[in-house]
Amino acid sequence: DAKTTQPPSMDCAEGRAANLPCNHSTISGNEYVYWYRQIHSQGPQYIIHGLKNNETNEMASLIITEDRKSSTLILPHATLRDTAVYYCIVSGYGGATNKLIFGTGTLLAVQP
Amino acid sequence: DTEVTQTPKHLVMGMTNKKSLKCEQHMGHRAMYWYKQKAKKPPELMFVYSYEKLSINESVPSRFSPECPNSSLLNLHLHALQPEDSALYLCASSQVGGLTTEAFFGQGTRLTVV
Repeated sequence: DAKTTQPPSMDCAEGRAANLPCNHSTISGNEYVYWYRQIHSQGPQYIIHGLKNNETNEMASLIITEDRKSSTLILPHATLRDTAVYYCIVSGYGGATNKLIFGTGTLLAVQP
Repeated sequence: DTEVTQTPKHLVMGMTNKKSLKCEQHMGHRAMYWYKQKAKKPPELMFVYSYEKLSINESVPSRFSPECPNSSLLNLHLHALQPEDSALYLCASSQVGGLTTEAFFGQGTRLTVV
């Protein structure tokens, strides 16, 4: 599985967009980019995933560069409840199981 | 029902005890996972079950023994643990393969070994 690199921490003002970057330069053609977050003392929560096209759901948007070597998770209007560790994970799909290997993640602190 | 339920929420055990952690889901998922998470660290994959068979063991010590008795249940049997095994143990489930392999996580069991 490809390795990911994320900044250890970021701040964002409440109500503003939070843009969380992730580098995955060794990603292979059949690997997806997944984003999960973990609010303090809770289990990780799935946010979004994509292969090469940009994706949007009710929680966030995922922008993947054309060469697929990096991506950005966008929370359009951050709230205090979005304070969490955000994990970018690269993993293949379609096999027997999805082996999610977590990197160190980004601690996003949303400030009032 | 999109919940993964883990019991107990907290567990304190001695180094000579035998205990079990339990995980249950009713989403029809046929892949189930155990992760271990130390404080301020990311979750580390321990085991993966696919169709009730162990498919991945990430070189976990034998004092941790997983079991998948049916498609809804996953157990982690603990024996002769060390204090350094104290951690949050997370269970997850997902579909096997397919376009969406979103994993659902439980809230974890916080284990303290004394």
